[in-house]
Amino acid sequence: GENVEQHPSTLSVQEGDSAVIKCTYSDSASNYFPWYKQELGKRPQLIIDIRSNVGEKKDQRIAVTLNKTAKHFSLHITETQPEDSAVYFCAASTSNTGKLIFGQGTTLQVKP
Amino acid sequence: DTAVSQTPKYLVTQMGNDKSIKCEQNLGHDTMYWYKQDSKKFLKIMFSYNNKELIINETVPNRFSPKSPDKAHLNLHINSLELGDSAVYFCASSYGSPGSYEQYFGPGTRLTVT
Repeated sequence: GENVEQHPSTLSVQEGDSAVIKCTYSDSASNYFPWYKQELGKRPQLIIDIRSNVGEKKDQRIAVTLNKTAKHFSLHITETQPEDSAVYFCAASTSNTGKLIFGQGTTLQVKP
Repeated sequence: DTAVSQTPKYLVTQMGNDKSIKCEQNLGHDTMYWYKQDSKKFLKIMFSYNNKELIINETVPNRFSPKSPDKAHLNLHINSLELGDSAVYFCASSYGSPGSYEQYFGPGTRLTVT
């Protein structure tokens, strides 16, 4: 069945450093890959997404890369700030099923 | 001007009871979802409706029954609540076909079954 593996489960960085979170997916038909940020006690919110016809997308300090051959995608956050501290979820879906399958989440802590 | 709203925010109830959670979106979206987030923060799709029609029905116990009276509302009714139902339930909505576009999540309903 569909599966999304996310690593690491926790990540601690110093303010100003970069953070990288990696995900792999099992369904080769997956074509939409969003990343959500969830602050403590809050709702998940989309921070960036990428579709299968694109290899990389950037939005200010956040970038996502996609390797369809290897079936993995990554989130890169540069110049991290304390307010980046949250749980980050990757997800993958296909237009066949319409199901968004989430990774297990990464708790990012940015130390000031 | 809340985009996706849920009621109640907190729900504490005893095993065996029946409860409902309501969700409304004012974004004009076609698709609505219910997700369950367990104590380990894992987010799992439960149901999805597109234009009031059930599209996704994951392997959840049939004690859980969604109902979409119109495109803007998706409610979740849970019968005979069990301890394992304790979780945060998120409603979400999106434009177009399920899973294809950004999903906007509601604030969540924290259900505690005692």
